[in-house]
Amino acid sequence: EVHLVESGGGLVQPGGSLRLSCAASGFLFSDYWMSWVRQAPGKGLEWVANIKQDGSEINYVDSVKGRFTISRGNTNNLLYLQMNNLRAEDTAVYYCARDSPRYYSSLEYFQYWGQGTLVTVSS
Amino acid sequence: EFVLTQSPGTLSLSPGQRATLSCRASQSVRSNSLAWYQQKPGQAPRLLVYGASTRATGIPDRFSGSGSGTDFTLTISRLEPEDFAVYYCQQYDVSPRTFGQGTNVEIK
Repeated sequence: EVHLVESGGGLVQPGGSLRLSCAASGFLFSDYWMSWVRQAPGKGLEWVANIKQDGSEINYVDSVKGRFTISRGNTNNLLYLQMNNLRAEDTAVYYCARDSPRYYSSLEYFQYWGQGTLVTVSS
Repeated sequence: EFVLTQSPGTLSLSPGQRATLSCRASQSVRSNSLAWYQQKPGQAPRLLVYGASTRATGIPDRFSGSGSGTDFTLTISRLEPEDFAVYYCQQYDVSPRTFGQGTNVEIK
């Protein structure tokens, strides 16, 4: 059974940093692109970033480019999101999601999601 | 950016009734690369339909997806109490992948 468990969320001041982690199990982690998707309180879903199976390709939504860094560790089945220079508008629940199994395309629906971790940016 | 517009924003229905949710795309969705998700309060989204009309594993057959091009529909044939939730459509034709703003199906 696929499990995705996020951790690392919390309260941080504007301009601060936070690192999220996602522990994956129940599937061959290195066979899949992985994504982060976020949801601001009471709002809809927004794809944030994804990373290729071997880490050789990375994509970000424009609003986080230059501030967020996605990475992965295939030996320990972990996905990360380093978030720097955080803004109030980054406040959201951040979900880890299993992405495409195809090496040359990351365009896919999200079949499996974690339970999410809340990031609150406020002074 | 590829915009998905869902309607209505809120649908007030009773258990046993039929629900029809709409998702309209700002441009044609190639290869029917459209998915539907259900989300209940405090929970992660749950995949219902992909490829516009293929039900995900374990999804009851009262859920059905249809449509092509720019107009897509999710139909719940007879609402069960556990179906009252927010529903989102998502396109995976073009990067960045985008979601609709959601339709809240509430108990009347």
